[in-house]
Amino acid sequence: QVQLQESGPGLVKPSQTLSLTCSVSGGSISSNTYYWSWIRQPAGKGLEWIGRIYNSGSTNYNPSLKSRVTISVDTSTNQFSLKLSSMTAADTAVYYCARGRAVRGYFDYWGQGTLVTVSS
Amino acid sequence: EIVLTQSPGTLSLSPGERATLSCRASQSVSSSFLAWYQQKPGQAPRLLIHGASSRATGIPDRFSGSGSGTDFTLTISRLEPEDFAVYYCQQYGSSSIFTFGPGTKVDIK
Repeated sequence: QVQLQESGPGLVKPSQTLSLTCSVSGGSISSNTYYWSWIRQPAGKGLEWIGRIYNSGSTNYNPSLKSRVTISVDTSTNQFSLKLSSMTAADTAVYYCARGRAVRGYFDYWGQGTLVTVSS
Repeated sequence: EIVLTQSPGTLSLSPGERATLSCRASQSVSSSFLAWYQQKPGQAPRLLIHGASSRATGIPDRFSGSGSGTDFTLTISRLEPEDFAVYYCQQYGSSSIFTFGPGTKVDIK
């Protein structure tokens, strides 16, 4: 059974850079069948896709966040990571990592999510 | 960017009733790239339907999806107590961008 687990700070100061890591177990992040995404959800609101990465390192980002986002993958540790710069209160949300099926466009496994609060 | 609109915003029904949820896209969406998710409070979303009409692994057959082009529907034939939740549609477009609808909350009448 594939499992994803987010880790990182729960509190970030305004203007700082958020760094989160997603650890994948029960499956290889090196598989060409999947891609790996970050998705966030402000409290009481809907889901917003942040970006995705393939094991090759190829990425796609949400145009609204592209200038501030970097997603990377480490196949040696079976992890992928998110960096989001210039954080503001509007970036306060639960951040999820998720696995997507290549050529299929859907997310079949999700992490439990981690709450990130932006506050001084 | 394709925008998804879901209706109604809230659907109040009783257990055993049929739920019909709508997802409308601002442009045509390939049926292959339309999915539905269920989310309960404090939990991550769970994949229900992919390819507009294919149930994900382990999803009961009371959940069904249909539609094409710009209009898609998720139907729950007979609501069970565990089905009261928020439902999101999601599309994947040719520009390699994913978007979600705003969600429909199904609550107990």
